[in-house]
Amino acid sequence: KNEVEQSPQNLTAQEGEFITINCSYSVGISALHWLQQHPGGGIVSLFMLSSGKKKHGRLIATINIQEKHSSLHITASHPRDSAVYICAVSEGNNRLAFGKGNQVVVIP
Amino acid sequence: EAGVAQSPRYKIIEKRQSVAFWCNPISGHATLYWYQQILGQGPKLLIQFQNNGVVDDSQLPKDRFSAERLKGVDSTLKIQPAKLEDSAVYLCASSLMGIPETQYFGPGTRLLVL
Repeated sequence: KNEVEQSPQNLTAQEGEFITINCSYSVGISALHWLQQHPGGGIVSLFMLSSGKKKHGRLIATINIQEKHSSLHITASHPRDSAVYICAVSEGNNRLAFGKGNQVVVIP
Repeated sequence: EAGVAQSPRYKIIEKRQSVAFWCNPISGHATLYWYQQILGQGPKLLIQFQNNGVVDDSQLPKDRFSAERLKGVDSTLKIQPAKLEDSAVYLCASSLMGIPETQYFGPGTRLLVL
């Protein structure tokens, strides 16, 4: 069973700051997902990656397969980025093992 | 394209009562997932369907939880009887084929058991 650890658990940033949150996992995977969850419960998939780096708008996700580690970066953070960011890894049959999430708060 | 639909959005019941949740996945998505998310934790897979067959129900408490996807489209998840520890958000998700790919989540049903 894959153990997915996320850090920091809670992060507060000023608007405009560069934010980095991290995810590590214990067993080899086929893909890693970054998800965003706003208050109210809805989850949106941000990235799915298996190597290298992906960018979408102000969000950048990187993964290092050898080190079993991924980071999600938010550039020029904005209050609307306030959410819980969840890391999940694919374990065959597209079954996902989830971390507990990083709570991010961006203050105006 | 319509997203994953779930109902109800909120439900409050007393322990030992029964409750059912409904999910309609994105059209054409063969794989459907039910997750349980307890406050402060990541989602936990309860059951995964591929069309109308069960792929993984290893974490489903089968003494009280059941789920079906009879026609390979929409699905229901039932809890009978409910316990206090079942209070959680129940999330439904779907994906096209079930290989490592993006899952699309519904808004969830927030259940409170008193």
